[in-house]
Amino acid sequence: ELKVEQNPLFLSMQEGKNYTIYCNYSTTSDRLYWYRQDPGKSLESLFVLLSNGAVKQEGRLMASLDTKARLSTLHITAAVHDLSATYFCAVGETSGSRLTFGEGTQLTVNP
Amino acid sequence: NAGVTQTPKFQVLKTGQSMTLQCAQDMNHEYMSWYRQDPGMGLRLIHYSVGAGITDQGEVPNGYNVSRSTTEDFPLRLLSAAPSQTSVYFCASSYWGEAFFGQGTRLTVV
Repeated sequence: ELKVEQNPLFLSMQEGKNYTIYCNYSTTSDRLYWYRQDPGKSLESLFVLLSNGAVKQEGRLMASLDTKARLSTLHITAAVHDLSATYFCAVGETSGSRLTFGEGTQLTVNP
Repeated sequence: NAGVTQTPKFQVLKTGQSMTLQCAQDMNHEYMSWYRQDPGMGLRLIHYSVGAGITDQGEVPNGYNVSRSTTEDFPLRLLSAAPSQTSVYFCASSYWGEAFFGQGTRLTVV
């Protein structure tokens, strides 16, 4: 059974600081997805990582995938208040489209 | 394109009542799924479908039924609502694993 663990689950940081959210998973997969959820809203796709060593960046967020370590990271650079949200990683099965989600990391960026 | 449309957005049910949550997508995706989201538990897969006429159980299927008669529609039925089914429900359609979510249905069972 595929298990996905994120840490930290709660993150409070100051504007301008850097931080990393970690996503570990238990079985082989080369498909990893990051989503953002604002309070009371749906999930929005941020990054799709489909191979070992994949790195993608969008604004102040950068995601990477190490399939050998079964680890993905979401790095936040010079955080701003608008980044406050809950971030989920999800791991895809090696075949098919079934996803297993982590518990989510609730990020709060304080002025 | 509307993407994934869920109805209703909010619903209150009494214990024992039944209802259907509607989900429709216009992206011609074969794969569709239903999740429930509870505080501190992320999203848990209820049922999924890999195409019209094919459905399968996810992690938490008890108390729910699904059918997939067309590519576009994937309704979720609560057979006899229980307070434990109070949750936010998300429908998603997927392409190459990337999921596109509906706006969610907030269900309260009293």
